[in-house]
Amino acid sequence: NAGVMQNPRHLVRRRGQEARLRCSPMKGHSHVYWYRQLPEEGLKFMVYLQKENIIDESGMPKERFSAEFPKEGPSILRIQQVVRGDSAAYFCASSPPAGEQFFGPGTRLTVL
Amino acid sequence: ILNVEQSPQSLHVQEGDSTNFTCSFPSSNFYALHWYRWETAKSPEALFVMTLNGDEKKKGRISATLNTKEGYSYLYIKGSQPEDSATYLCAFRVGTNAGKSTFGDGTTLTVKP
Repeated sequence: NAGVMQNPRHLVRRRGQEARLRCSPMKGHSHVYWYRQLPEEGLKFMVYLQKENIIDESGMPKERFSAEFPKEGPSILRIQQVVRGDSAAYFCASSPPAGEQFFGPGTRLTVL
Repeated sequence: ILNVEQSPQSLHVQEGDSTNFTCSFPSSNFYALHWYRWETAKSPEALFVMTLNGDEKKKGRISATLNTKEGYSYLYIKGSQPEDSATYLCAFRVGTNAGKSTFGDGTTLTVKP
């Protein structure tokens, strides 16, 4: 049973470009969570999704960030017009409903 | 806003020492408390999930206790080894939004040989 998969593991973008981060949950998990770790900071909640639904996006920046978890395929965290301050490690976790979360290896985004 | 606080922020111990750290969380509307171990350049790894007041969990040399009435959990490591060096995170979930976890900033443990 494969764990939570994230790709790419490392992503480099120039300011103004778009970044797309993908997360495939563990088999049987219907819930996906995205977290961000800024340099020298802890893990901060961004958004919690079920298939085709955003349950809680209280941690998402108001602009440029969006997330989806379609009926088929991975969850995607999309950052438009990236800025240097978006450089961080982005972790995805998945769980069964209200169950324990298992984390993916993270995507390290660097904005030049 | 939910505040989850962990102390100390960092800890340096000698191999063989026993140690413990604290996670404080709001005592109302408790759903679950999780402990994770997070090594540098890896993803957080689940250690324990605790749901009942008075819960005690143990895995090898690591154990945890939970007091939901006063809002704290302790993580204990007996006979620390260099491979225990990591950041230990706790995460709190409330009953009204059990899917969302609020993480503390972690306690970073360094065990010197």
